[in-house]
Amino acid sequence: EVQLVESGGGLIQPGGSLRLSCAASGFTFSSYAMNWVRQAPGKGLEWVSAISGSGVSTYYADSVKGRFTISRDNSKNTLYLQMSSLRAEDTAVYYCAKGNALRYSDYWGQGTLVTVSS
Amino acid sequence: QSALTQPRSVSGSPGQSVTISCTGTSSDVGGYNYVSWYQQHPGKAPKLMICDVTKRPSGVPDRFSGSKSGNTASLTISGLQAEDEADYYCCSYAGTYTPWVFGGGTKLTVL
Repeated sequence: EVQLVESGGGLIQPGGSLRLSCAASGFTFSSYAMNWVRQAPGKGLEWVSAISGSGVSTYYADSVKGRFTISRDNSKNTLYLQMSSLRAEDTAVYYCAKGNALRYSDYWGQGTLVTVSS
Repeated sequence: QSALTQPRSVSGSPGQSVTISCTGTSSDVGGYNYVSWYQQHPGKAPKLMICDVTKRPSGVPDRFSGSKSGNTASLTISGLQAEDEADYYCCSYAGTYTPWVFGGGTKLTVL
């Protein structure tokens, strides 16, 4: 059974940094692209970032480019999102999702809430 | 990359059919056969309902179907059931620069 468990969310001041983690199990982690998708309170889904199975290729939404870094440790079956220079508008539930190439995501975690506020 | 355009809400009675549209451009919906649809109940994670425009993942009822014409994709739900009441999001591949773009979401109400 595929499982994705996010962690690392919390309350952070504007300008601060935070690292999210996503522990994966139930599939061959290194064979699949992974995504981060966020959802601001009461709003829709917004794709944030993606990474290839090998970790060589990374992709970012314009809204986070230069501030967020996606990475993965295939030996630990873990996906990361390093977030810096955080803004109030980054407040959201952050979901990690298993990708099928870059076509779609077939499994999603339950999400971790990031709140950026002073 | 602009978000795909979806109606904010649709509704239907049990047993009826509803269709949710998702309009993009030739750079996303119209350019690739990589449209997916996600169902999200309140407080829950999204669930994949349709991938690659028309394909239904294992376990998704065949009441759900997808299609595409030009720059507009559609999700049709036939034989509406109470448990179908949820938010629905379309998503399209949009090229290697920013691979994904979502629609703004549609709230489906089962009357």
